[in-house]
Amino acid sequence: SQQGEEDPQALSIQEGENATMNCSYKTSINNLQWYRQNSGRGLVHLILIRSNEREKHSGRLRVTLDTSKKSSSLLITASRAADTASYFCASFAVNNAGNMLTFGGGTRLMVKP
Amino acid sequence: KAGVTQTPRYLIKTRGQQVTLSCSPISGHRSVSWYQQTPGQGLQFLFEYFSETQRNKGNFPGRFSGRQFSNSRSEMNVSTLELGDSALYLCASSLAGASGRIEQYFGPGTRLTVT
Repeated sequence: SQQGEEDPQALSIQEGENATMNCSYKTSINNLQWYRQNSGRGLVHLILIRSNEREKHSGRLRVTLDTSKKSSSLLITASRAADTASYFCASFAVNNAGNMLTFGGGTRLMVKP
Repeated sequence: KAGVTQTPRYLIKTRGQQVTLSCSPISGHRSVSWYQQTPGQGLQFLFEYFSETQRNKGNFPGRFSGRQFSNSRSEMNVSTLELGDSALYLCASSLAGASGRIEQYFGPGTRLTVT
């Protein structure tokens, strides 16, 4: 089973609008990462936020992390049709025996031109 | 630098057969992880290799195995294939150390269909 849940499962917006995706996880984490996947292809790393950080920016991306609520959000501002993809959060938990990312179920984002 | 490469990209096998998938990490990356992606279960961690040793393993049956070579290239093998093994198998590499602490770079995946 996956540690994280993402909300919403699907999101459809117009180009130029902002898109917000939320992610929840279950255990204490070392960091949380966001990835994008286009049409069943490989994942592309977007941004990593450490457990001691609350907010991080990268271009049109803004990620927040609330460790007290075990949740994170990804905001894509001024969306473009090219942002159409599935977005996944992935957590790295400090109590893992080794090294692995636990992925959420993903949010399918469609940006209409 | 060349990205992570996976071969083959597409594969069709019959139930009961076995399959071997290959992954070449980014040059200099010593950690290789494998994930299975299905519509029903999403992305699930299979195992991670570092310096030819399996460091961590997900909750998959023993039919799923892997190995890593001295040049960091990795293979995963699935024996006695079942219909439920149909999935996109993704390989990811990262720099040495605790791979989850930094970003992973994913290959394009191998689409396995079991009939």
